[in-house]
Amino acid sequence: NAGVTQTPKFRILKIGQSMTLQCTQDMNHNYMYWYRQDPGMGLKLIYYSVGAGITDKGEVPNGYNVSRSTTEDFPLRLELAAPSQTSVYFCASTPDGGGVYEQYFGPGTRLTVT
Amino acid sequence: EDKVVQSPLSLVVHEGDTVTLNCSYEVTNFRSLLWYKQEKKAPTFLFMLTSSGIEKKSGRLSSILDKKELFSILNITATQTGDSAVYLCADHSGGSNYKLTFGKGTLLTVNP
Repeated sequence: NAGVTQTPKFRILKIGQSMTLQCTQDMNHNYMYWYRQDPGMGLKLIYYSVGAGITDKGEVPNGYNVSRSTTEDFPLRLELAAPSQTSVYFCASTPDGGGVYEQYFGPGTRLTVT
Repeated sequence: EDKVVQSPLSLVVHEGDTVTLNCSYEVTNFRSLLWYKQEKKAPTFLFMLTSSGIEKKSGRLSSILDKKELFSILNITATQTGDSAVYLCADHSGGSNYKLTFGKGTLLTVNP
């Protein structure tokens, strides 16, 4: 199993550009999450999804959008990139139920907005 | 709103030292507390704690939870340079969305 994969690994955007960060998991997990991590900070939740067709805002959703059309994929969209969105983005997933709360993380996307 | 506070924020030790990392939490409906290790990449899971007083152990790492005082500690004995990383704790406070709230992490540097 590949687990959680993310593309691209690195990206530089100009202010005002748009892009989509891709996230795919092959573990048949219903729950998926997008986090951002700024230097010296923990992980902050941007959006999450509890299943295909269901998404909800996390702690820092402004400037981002998500969709979840399949169980496997959970892309994160930046519409008008701003320097404040320079960060490392992690996608994660977890199985539902059974008291399993461990989240499995992808390798991350390092985004710079200039 | 859940709050997770880790201390110290950074720590420098020599190989062979023992370290204790702290995590305190304020949650409305606590379910579990998780520890992750993050080297220069994605966090990797270490422990999940749900019951007070029961130590989880893996090699030189161990962790324990105190639900009365709302904190957890992560101990690393006989530290090695490979233990250098950011250690994150996170709480799961119930609900059907399995969200985790993370602390800022402790940056541990182990010098040879």
